[in-house]
Amino acid sequence: EPEVTQTPSHQVTQMGQEVILRCVPISNHLYFYWYRQILGQKVEFLVSFYNNEISEKSEIFDDQFSVERPDGSNFTLKIRSTKLEDSAMYFCASSRQGAVRETQYFGPGTRLLVL
Amino acid sequence: QQQVKQSPQSLIVQKGGIPIINCAYENTAFDYFPWYQQFPGKGPALLIAIRPDVSEKKEGRFTISFNKSAKQFSLHIMDSQPGDSATYFCAASIGGSEKLVFGKGTKLTVNP
Repeated sequence: EPEVTQTPSHQVTQMGQEVILRCVPISNHLYFYWYRQILGQKVEFLVSFYNNEISEKSEIFDDQFSVERPDGSNFTLKIRSTKLEDSAMYFCASSRQGAVRETQYFGPGTRLLVL
Repeated sequence: QQQVKQSPQSLIVQKGGIPIINCAYENTAFDYFPWYQQFPGKGPALLIAIRPDVSEKKEGRFTISFNKSAKQFSLHIMDSQPGDSATYFCAASIGGSEKLVFGKGTKLTVNP
């Protein structure tokens, strides 16, 4: 069964550093998402992406965040200057079509720790 | 208003028991209510979902009950098994939006 994959599984970085989290969505999916989950908190939507454009974003997704589909398989989340409060599990998801009636398939997550 | 409140935070049942997880919302624009199951080290996976035009949906041992007037919905797991031990998240979304709004999750433990 096709799966969303994410790398790395864990990343530790210093405050102020840039990090790039990588995702490989399911191959025939067209819509891509990033969510995050701060330890002990709920899963929060960050951004959705379709046709090389952001289609929806939350208030969390400020100028420090960016997303990109650099090639036909990868989908990345960049945090330009990490803050302590960016420490969280980041989940990538993908779906065949947009709107949540189409199942969003989640990857296993990248645990980011900002020191 | 964009919140989904989930309870309990954790739940322990014996094998064969029927754990019930509850969620409540305020925003009447929500029109899609999925439940996700998450095992350690894995991402959330869609378990079952319901729309507000039905009061109940059953898939195997999993049932969603939906009370539109009370703005509440719940997940029941019949004949629970140790393999059902996981964290369960309720979620909601508004039509036309790609954004899922999640509850805080319930850690379910089913003892043998």
